[in-house]
Amino acid sequence: DTGVSQDPRHKITKRGQNVTFRCDPISEHNRLYWYRQTLGQGPEFLTYFQNEAQLEKSRLLSDRFSAERPKGSFSTLEIQRTEQGDSAMYLCASSLLASGGTEQFFGPGTRLTVL
Amino acid sequence: AQSVTQPDIHITVSEGASLELRCNYSYGATPYLFWYVQSPGQGLQLLLKYFSGDTLVQGIKGFEAEFKRSQSSFNLRKPSVHWSDAAEYFCAVYTSGTYKYIFGTGTRLKVLA
Repeated sequence: DTGVSQDPRHKITKRGQNVTFRCDPISEHNRLYWYRQTLGQGPEFLTYFQNEAQLEKSRLLSDRFSAERPKGSFSTLEIQRTEQGDSAMYLCASSLLASGGTEQFFGPGTRLTVL
Repeated sequence: AQSVTQPDIHITVSEGASLELRCNYSYGATPYLFWYVQSPGQGLQLLLKYFSGDTLVQGIKGFEAEFKRSQSSFNLRKPSVHWSDAAEYFCAVYTSGTYKYIFGTGTRLKVLA
């Protein structure tokens, strides 16, 4: 049973550096989501893809953030010129449109620390 | 706008005691409702979900939740808490047309031995 995987699990970087995270969804799932979770808060929606098309982006996703899903399989989330406020857990989730797409399966997350 | 409120930030119960975690939502139509659990440093694990039908839903690990439309609530319950239930619990609503979850701020559960 291969669930959603994310890499790396932890990332420590210095302010101003660029970072990239990867998410591999459950293989047949065509929807993929990114959420951000800061300490003491619930996850907040960032963006989602249906196959390779990015269909919605939150206002939380500043122009320093970019996400791709080039072949409709894995996805990457890049943060350019990181700031201390970017420190958070970045969660990826996937769902299957054919079953309604309502149940999302979450990965273990990537914890980003910006020094 | 849709929203989810979890009024209790922290709850402490003794092992073996019963548990109820509160969740209120704001949405015009019948939402899809979920409860997730998150252990420290981990992702989210689905406990249970409500889409339609019977308003009392059973989940994993002995949890259940009751949907009450009149109160816009979806409270999570467990009759006897185990020490391993200590974690953070999130209520979420999925709204058709937006395709995303809106989460509450979570309730951190501490279990006393």
